[in-house]
Amino acid sequence: KAGVTQTPRYLIKTRGQQVTLSCSPISGHRSVSWYQQTPGQGLQFLFEYFSETQRNKGNFPGRFSGRQFSNSRSEMNVSTLELGDSALYLCASSPGTAYGYTFGSGTRLTVV
Amino acid sequence: ILNVEQSPQSLHVQEGDSTNFTCSFPSSNFYALHWYRWETAKSPEALFVMTLNGDEKKKGRISATLNTKEGYSYLYIKGSQPEDSATYLCASSSGAGSYQLTFGKGTKLSVIP
Repeated sequence: KAGVTQTPRYLIKTRGQQVTLSCSPISGHRSVSWYQQTPGQGLQFLFEYFSETQRNKGNFPGRFSGRQFSNSRSEMNVSTLELGDSALYLCASSPGTAYGYTFGSGTRLTVV
Repeated sequence: ILNVEQSPQSLHVQEGDSTNFTCSFPSSNFYALHWYRWETAKSPEALFVMTLNGDEKKKGRISATLNTKEGYSYLYIKGSQPEDSATYLCASSSGAGSYQLTFGKGTKLSVIP
């Protein structure tokens, strides 16, 4: 079956711009989570969506937002990009809390 | 322990050696402990999800144990192979119904042929 698909794979943006990242979960997985990884840091939780509702949000500024559509696809938006937002952004989907997550290949964002 | 901590940070072993790493996590309000393997240029791959104290899980040469009372989990690899080279991540979640995972920084394993 198809895995978690993230687009685009790579992105270069200028400071101050905004960016939208996309994630298509595994069919049937209603929970979609987003994580950020920066050099030297572990994966940091951004937010989690279930049935179009944000259920959890990590400790990130309001410039980071997201949404989930009725087909479970999710988008993540970062406004007013800063150099420190350069990171690998991973999306993961899961069928339930007792199960592991399936991660996408990530979007590597570079802010210049 | 407030965060998820993993040790060692990195490890070099010879092919055929057995090895193990540690994950420490907050034991209060614990729900589940996850282990992932993350190879370079690939996505993190789920290895195990454990919820019960004393849980032991095995997948081929890799196994894991869980102690929820003291807040630690061990991952064991028996007879390491070069293809086991990867970063091994553990993550904990708290509260039933919580999908928020708190990850450790990982243990980077290099298996020398």
